[in-house]
Amino acid sequence: GESVGLHLPTLSVQEGDNSIINCAYSNSASDYFIWYKQESGKGPQFIIDIRSNMDKRQGQRVTVLLNKTVKHLSLQIAATQPGDSAVYFCAERTPFSGGYNKLIFGAGTRLAVHP
Amino acid sequence: EADIYQTPRYLVIGTGKKITLECSQTMGHDKMYWYQQDPGMELHLIHYSYGVNSTEKGDLSSESTVSRIRTEHFPLTLESARPSHTSQYLCASSEDRTAVGADTQYFGPGTRLTVL
Repeated sequence: GESVGLHLPTLSVQEGDNSIINCAYSNSASDYFIWYKQESGKGPQFIIDIRSNMDKRQGQRVTVLLNKTVKHLSLQIAATQPGDSAVYFCAERTPFSGGYNKLIFGAGTRLAVHP
Repeated sequence: EADIYQTPRYLVIGTGKKITLECSQTMGHDKMYWYQQDPGMELHLIHYSYGVNSTEKGDLSSESTVSRIRTEHFPLTLESARPSHTSQYLCASSEDRTAVGADTQYFGPGTRLTVL
């Protein structure tokens, strides 16, 4: 069935290092992917997205890479800061019934940034 | 910053009480969603709506009900709360367009519900 899963439930990094958060998806028909950041006590916030016709997209300190061959998505955070500590979710948009699309969320990875 | 609001932010109630969690958005989005999330855990879709008078059950079975009488408002109701309903409830909305990116969901801050 359809699923979006994360390789690591918790990632600990030192402040200033680069972080890489991974995500696997199973539906090759998914055409759009999103990364969300959820800080403690808040709702998920949109970080960056990528369409399936792209391999890479860069934002401010964040880069998303998409490898459709192995159905893998990653979020890279450069020069990780304490404020980056949060749970990160990937989500894939996949065709649903009635011509609608559906967002499927992964389980989430907790990023802990240490000074 | 998305304009989607949830009230109350925190709610502690006794077993058997009827509660309604409010969710409103001012973006004119047609699609709205309710998720249930335990702390530090994944999101589970419990209800969604494609527009006024449209409500559908999500992937996770829930004893709650929803209504969509107005575009901007998508309240969730529990007729008789139980301790097993203790969780965080997140509301989200998205645009109704066919363009890629239109399904980006914008989330409210959530309601943390505790049933004693």
